[in-house]
Amino acid sequence: LAKTTQPISMDSYEGQEVNITCSHNNIATNDYITWYQQFPSQGPRFIIQGYKTKVTNEVASLFIPADRKSSTLSLPRVSLSDTAVYYCLGKLVRTYKYIFGTGTRLKVLA
Amino acid sequence: GAGVSQSPSNKVTEKGKDVELRCDPISGHTALYWYRQSLGQGLEFLIYFQGNSAPDKSGLPSDRFSAERTGGSVSTLTIQRTQQEDSAVYLCASSSNRATETQYFGPGTRLLVL
Repeated sequence: LAKTTQPISMDSYEGQEVNITCSHNNIATNDYITWYQQFPSQGPRFIIQGYKTKVTNEVASLFIPADRKSSTLSLPRVSLSDTAVYYCLGKLVRTYKYIFGTGTRLKVLA
Repeated sequence: GAGVSQSPSNKVTEKGKDVELRCDPISGHTALYWYRQSLGQGLEFLIYFQGNSAPDKSGLPSDRFSAERTGGSVSTLTIQRTQQEDSAVYLCASSSNRATETQYFGPGTRLLVL
């Protein structure tokens, strides 16, 4: 049974770095791992995606170890507007199916 | 350019009725995906289209659910004989091709079955 798990919730203060890890035991080795942000009553919004090692864009970094059994989203210097639910997404190995992580509710405090 | 659009944005129906949910992907995107998000729950994959073809329909929750895509563009998710447990937000996403796999999501259709 494919499992993609994340911490249920995290609290952080403004200006801190936040790391959210997704553990996945059955993600395809030849497909990207993608992270999304979701606000209430909205569709998920793309943050970053990677295939292996480290990827950085203007809003986040993504670390994927060689075994690809996990991935870690890093948000530098979070602000109140980063309060949202964060999901990882990957394609299940040898299928045409995609699986989201269980989601992490991040609350940023002033 | 326009993003993924979905219609209707909200739908209230009575148990036993059929409903059709529509998704307009980003122009030129060949891949299209449907997901479901029940109240307060995570995101559940339903089906994936590459062009007009869905290679695996086993993610659909029951045989009351069907999906089609025509002309490599618009897709329709149909739920027959709706049940209260079908109440959820139905999300559609599209991506340019399988190589990049970045899925861009629409705002969703909120379905309430009374």
